[in-house]
Amino acid sequence: EDKVVQSPLSLVVHEGDTVTLNCSYEVTNFRSLLWYKQEKKAPTFLFMLTSSGIEKKSGRLSSILDKKELFSILNITATQTGDSAIYLCAASFAGGTSYGKLTFGQGTILTVHP
Amino acid sequence: ETGVTQTPRHLVMGMTNKKSLKCEQHLGHNAMYWYKQSAKKPLELMFVYNFKEQTENNSVPSRFSPECPNSSHLFLHLHTLQPEDSALYLCASSPTDVAGGTYEQYFGPGTRLTVT
Repeated sequence: EDKVVQSPLSLVVHEGDTVTLNCSYEVTNFRSLLWYKQEKKAPTFLFMLTSSGIEKKSGRLSSILDKKELFSILNITATQTGDSAIYLCAASFAGGTSYGKLTFGQGTILTVHP
Repeated sequence: ETGVTQTPRHLVMGMTNKKSLKCEQHLGHNAMYWYKQSAKKPLELMFVYNFKEQTENNSVPSRFSPECPNSSHLFLHLHTLQPEDSALYLCASSPTDVAGGTYEQYFGPGTRLTVT
């Protein structure tokens, strides 16, 4: 059974801290790993990682994928209260009968206190 | 604003009612999806439509019936639901390629459904 597991499930930090969120996966026919941020309603897309070892960055957020060890991390530096959200990771599949499917982890709830 | 809209945003219905959720995307994508998000559970994929054809039905009960009249619109018809079906229902769309690759999905704001 395809599985995506995130850790920790929740995290409380203070503004200015750096956090690392983890995502491990066990899926057949893996294609890419995606990260989303969900605040009130719609998850918003952050990164899609397809190749190992290539870091993707967007401002204070960065992410990297290790396809040998089957995990990804999302780093947030100099956290702000606006970073408080649920962070979701998902695995996508390389076509065939699983076309279009994303399997999500349970999410990490990040709370950033002032 | 992600370019994916959903209506209604909130819906309360009894177990004997019939209602429909609507999703529309303005991104020119060819694939659309329905997800269910319940408290303390991962997002669950329900249905996938690619070029208006249903390509995935993730063992969803028949009281949920999807309809995709064109690549921009997706409906989820609901009838005789159960209280445990109360959840946030999210629609998403994504671009596709001819090799069957999946690109990032863009989500709508969701419909918060309560079944009484």
